[in-house]
Amino acid sequence: QKEVEQNSGPLSVPEGAIASLNCTYSDRGSQSFFWYRQYSGKSPELIMFIYSNGDKEDGRFTAQLNKASQYVSLLIRDSQPSDSATYLCAVNPTGANSKLTFGKGITLSVRP
Amino acid sequence: EAQVTQNPRYLITVTGKKLTVTCSQNMNHEYMSWYRQDPGLGLRQIYYSMNVEVTDKGDVPEGYKVSRKEKRNFPLILESPSPNQTSLYFCASSFAGTGSGYTFGSGTRLTVV
Repeated sequence: QKEVEQNSGPLSVPEGAIASLNCTYSDRGSQSFFWYRQYSGKSPELIMFIYSNGDKEDGRFTAQLNKASQYVSLLIRDSQPSDSATYLCAVNPTGANSKLTFGKGITLSVRP
Repeated sequence: EAQVTQNPRYLITVTGKKLTVTCSQNMNHEYMSWYRQDPGLGLRQIYYSMNVEVTDKGDVPEGYKVSRKEKRNFPLILESPSPNQTSLYFCASSFAGTGSGYTFGSGTRLTVV
């Protein structure tokens, strides 16, 4: 079974700091990668996706992909208390675009 | 408003009593999927559908059925629920094509006693 691994956390950072969230995946042929944010009691919402090696920036969020090392990361700059949530890494395995495999998530707490 | 709608939001039922959780999307998405979320296990895919009448098993399909007779609807059927199916269930939909991410519904919290 294709696996997606995230550090178990929780991760705590002070307000204004950079939060770094990491994810590794087992299927070398995986094509696309996603970061979802899930607030307590709510459904997951897509915040970033990346297909190509390198960095992709969207506001305070940067997704980084390294296919050779099979990891994808999410950086949150100038972290805010409103960023406190569980962050889920998700991967589309080879040849199954409708099948999205999630990591177990990491809980981020931003201290005011 | 573009959305995925699940019903009911909360459901308590007894072992063995058949139930259906409905899911509908208004975005004309080709792909739809059901996930369950459990503490310590994360989100696990139950079934997914790539279009009308096309469905396939995810990672944890045992004890569940689905159907896709219309593009917008993708109900989840538990024909004989058991306590180990107590969970938070999410329906999701997506456009077809490489890398489209899923949009999730609000979730259904199911308790089987």
